Amino acid sequence: QSVLTQPPSASGTPGQTVTISCSGGNFDIGRNSVNWYQQVPGTAPKLLIDSNDKRPSGVPDRFSGSKSGTSASLAISGLQSEDEADYYCGTWDGRRNDYVFGTGTHVTVL
Amino acid sequence: EEHLVASGGGLVKPGGSLRLSCTGSGFIFGGHTMHWVRQAPGKGLEWVSCISDSGNYKYYGDSLTGRITISRDNRKNALYLQINSLRDEDAAMYYCVRGTGRDGYPEYWGQGTQVTVSS
Repeated sequence: QSVLTQPPSASGTPGQTVTISCSGGNFDIGRNSVNWYQQVPGTAPKLLIDSNDKRPSGVPDRFSGSKSGTSASLAISGLQSEDEADYYCGTWDGRRNDYVFGTGTHVTVL
Repeated sequence: EEHLVASGGGLVKPGGSLRLSCTGSGFIFGGHTMHWVRQAPGKGLEWVSCISDSGNYKYYGDSLTGRITISRDNRKNALYLQINSLRDEDAAMYYCVRGTGRDGYPEYWGQGTQVTVSS
């Protein structure tokens, strides 16, 4: 079961932009769209970005996603204190019909 | 309003078994792929298994293959996960997650049920 690689942590001050990377391979990100999930400590994850760059209803436009080749990125602009959370990328693994998650990135608002 | 309520977790001895359940409401349960995802304390998300909307197709992650069975009963809006031969490393929060109607990837997450493995 492959795992997508993310930096363990990222940080910024209020108002700044933070970018989180997600690195995969030819059979996962290379073939499928990427989703991003936000998990505030002590709560269940929530879908933040789907299909590489689409925001579900209710997600602020401060959050944006992109994908290129076998990598994807999540950007948080205008960082706010409530954005302090763990962020995970996810996609299908085209070899096995498994779903794989990234290693997770904890975002700290300084 | 959509809801997913997972239950069946608890304290189990190593080598024991558990059957987790999840009940959905507020959406057409039988129209969605359903997933189980787990998270060990202080760790990241790990995909466990998914089952197609009809129940005809089932997929399992590596770490639990051979010890788990996923099933569903669309008449009861229910999803199940049978876990056998439990190990210490199976201790985690187990989330029931609804897949999107189109591509099936995990979309809407329930609150989860906690599994503790200890003698």
